[in-house]
Amino acid sequence: DGGITQSPKYLFRKEGQNVTLSCEQNLNHDAMYWYRQDPGQGLRLIYYSQIVNDFQKGDIAEGYSVSREKKESFPLTVTSAQKNPTAFYLCASSTRTGDRNQPQHFGDGTRLSIL
Amino acid sequence: QKEVEQDPGPLSVPEGAIVSLNCTYSNSAFQYFMWYRQYSRKGPELLMYTYSSGNKEDGRFTAQVDKSSKYISLFIRDSQPSDSATYLCAMKNQGGKLIFGQGTELSVKP
Repeated sequence: DGGITQSPKYLFRKEGQNVTLSCEQNLNHDAMYWYRQDPGQGLRLIYYSQIVNDFQKGDIAEGYSVSREKKESFPLTVTSAQKNPTAFYLCASSTRTGDRNQPQHFGDGTRLSIL
Repeated sequence: QKEVEQDPGPLSVPEGAIVSLNCTYSNSAFQYFMWYRQYSRKGPELLMYTYSSGNKEDGRFTAQVDKSSKYISLFIRDSQPSDSATYLCAMKNQGGKLIFGQGTELSVKP
């Protein structure tokens, strides 16, 4: 089945530790995105990538880093500089038709908590 | 002022009721409008995608866009307990990023 796979489902981070969240898609989508979801705040964009080896900061990129070495993979690292990392992290992807991005499709998220 | 406003609820209705979920927005450049459904501990699932003003129907779901009033709605007919979820509106202009509402939590009671 085509889709977006996020792992792990739950992740715990110790103080001062970097952790990496995995996102893999087999939809052959060019664009991939990372969002953070907090209660009552909707989804906020962390980073996005339109093509391999290129990515841009979203609204809340501080304390996060990404890479896009393969079309199907877009891992997110939550660094120790992110002081409030507890949240539900969602990865999404979309394709383009002409000059228009089609709607984004989401994975089932990773819940990150502080130990 | 947020670009997209959505009543967070929670909204509780009896089974079989008609549900109306709404969002208002301030950016007149928004052209693409989406509704996502999110079950607990899951990712959002795309329900409806509309490009222009007017209505779009898909089964029990109808999406309505009124660009003149900067207002979008999602109607659910004959609501079922399985419709219990958080509903997120989202919108964007061409080339822009997707902006989400805060989500409305819906509970349909048997």
